[in-house]
Amino acid sequence: DVKVTQSSRYLVKRTGEKVFLECVQDMDHENMFWYRQDPGLGLRLIYFSYDVKMKEKGDIPEGYSVSREKKERFSLILESASTNQTSMYLCASSFGREASPLHFGNGTRLTVT
Amino acid sequence: GQNIDQPTEMTATEGAIVQINCTYQTSGFNGLFWYQQHAGEAPTFLSYNVLDGLEEKGRFSSFLSRSKGYSYLLLKELQMKDSASYLCAGVDSNYQLIWGAGTKLIIKP
Repeated sequence: DVKVTQSSRYLVKRTGEKVFLECVQDMDHENMFWYRQDPGLGLRLIYFSYDVKMKEKGDIPEGYSVSREKKERFSLILESASTNQTSMYLCASSFGREASPLHFGNGTRLTVT
Repeated sequence: GQNIDQPTEMTATEGAIVQINCTYQTSGFNGLFWYQQHAGEAPTFLSYNVLDGLEEKGRFSSFLSRSKGYSYLLLKELQMKDSASYLCAGVDSNYQLIWGAGTKLIIKP
């Protein structure tokens, strides 16, 4: 079974802090994604990556950056956390460039105070 | 624009059948996914349809009509553990996923 592991389940940070969310997958998937999930809204794509050192902006990249130095690891960085970034963050991975199922991590619930 | 519509919430009775509908508008179309998400957990893959018709997997079936831009997820013999949100996601011409807001399914005994 594919395992996608997010480093923290719950995180509380202060406004202005730099925040790192880590995600590791163990199935050699090329593709990795970061989403945020808020009540009443669909999953919104922040950034994705199809290969090491490669990154693409999703629908809502403002205030975020990412890093993919190794195939198995995809990090989301909040450069200066703000209260409107309080959310559930979901990492996912998938295989191949065509439609293939996403495998999600358990999520990180980030609260910015 | 691209859009996925599904009902916000549905209620059904244990042992019954429920159908969750999803309509989509995408730029190009490369299939449609259904995921299940229990409260506080990650979404998990249920089904993928790219051709018209019904695909059955045990108690769960998924249907697609490309001409109508319509899909549904059919859950039979409902169990309490089926209480969850069900997410519909269309795949556009660039193989990007367009997500609906999810349907919260409440099962009553």
